[in-house]
Amino acid sequence: GNSVTQMEGPVTLSEEAFLTINCTYTATGYPSLFWYVQYPGEGLQLLLKATKADDKGSNKGFEATYRKETTSFHLEKGSVQVSDSAVYFCALGRGNQGGKLIFGQGTELSVKP
Amino acid sequence: DVKVTQSSRYLVKRTGEKVFLECVQDMDHENMFWYRQDPGLGLRLIYFSYDVKMKEKGDIPEGYSVSREKKERFSLILESASTNQTSMYLCASSFEGQPQHFGDGTRLSIL
Repeated sequence: GNSVTQMEGPVTLSEEAFLTINCTYTATGYPSLFWYVQYPGEGLQLLLKATKADDKGSNKGFEATYRKETTSFHLEKGSVQVSDSAVYFCALGRGNQGGKLIFGQGTELSVKP
Repeated sequence: DVKVTQSSRYLVKRTGEKVFLECVQDMDHENMFWYRQDPGLGLRLIYFSYDVKMKEKGDIPEGYSVSREKKERFSLILESASTNQTSMYLCASSFEGQPQHFGDGTRLSIL
């Protein structure tokens, strides 16, 4: 069945460091892929998305490219800030099933000044 | 901006109680979802509704039921609460084919 695997956290970085959070997926067909972010005490917010192979989603300096050949959707940011400290979730859309998502387990990021 | 409102941020109940978690969205979305979030497990779908009075089981429906009598409101019901239902519960809504919008969550403790 469909599934999403994220790198385990927590990830601790210094401000201005380069960030990569790995996400790989298993799916039939051509699912949409998403990154959501959860700041402390809040619900999830959509960070970026990609709907087909080779699409690049980007927002707030974060980027992720839909790689069908490696079934990956890694999240990257060139220079992280303390305000980026949050939990990041990779998710896969279940195609025509009413917008249902499958989430990875989440990766906690902590950025130190 | 889309607003998904969950009725309580924190809730403490006792085992065996019937518990209601309420969720309201203000964007006329067809789809509404209930998830639970547990450390190391990500979000798991409990139930899903794609229209008024319509519902589908998600991945972990056991011990839960839902109600959608009006388009803007989706209720999660714990029929007889148990300690293993202590968790963070998240509601979301969306238009068909569009990303989901989430509420801030209800942290439920069952004692």
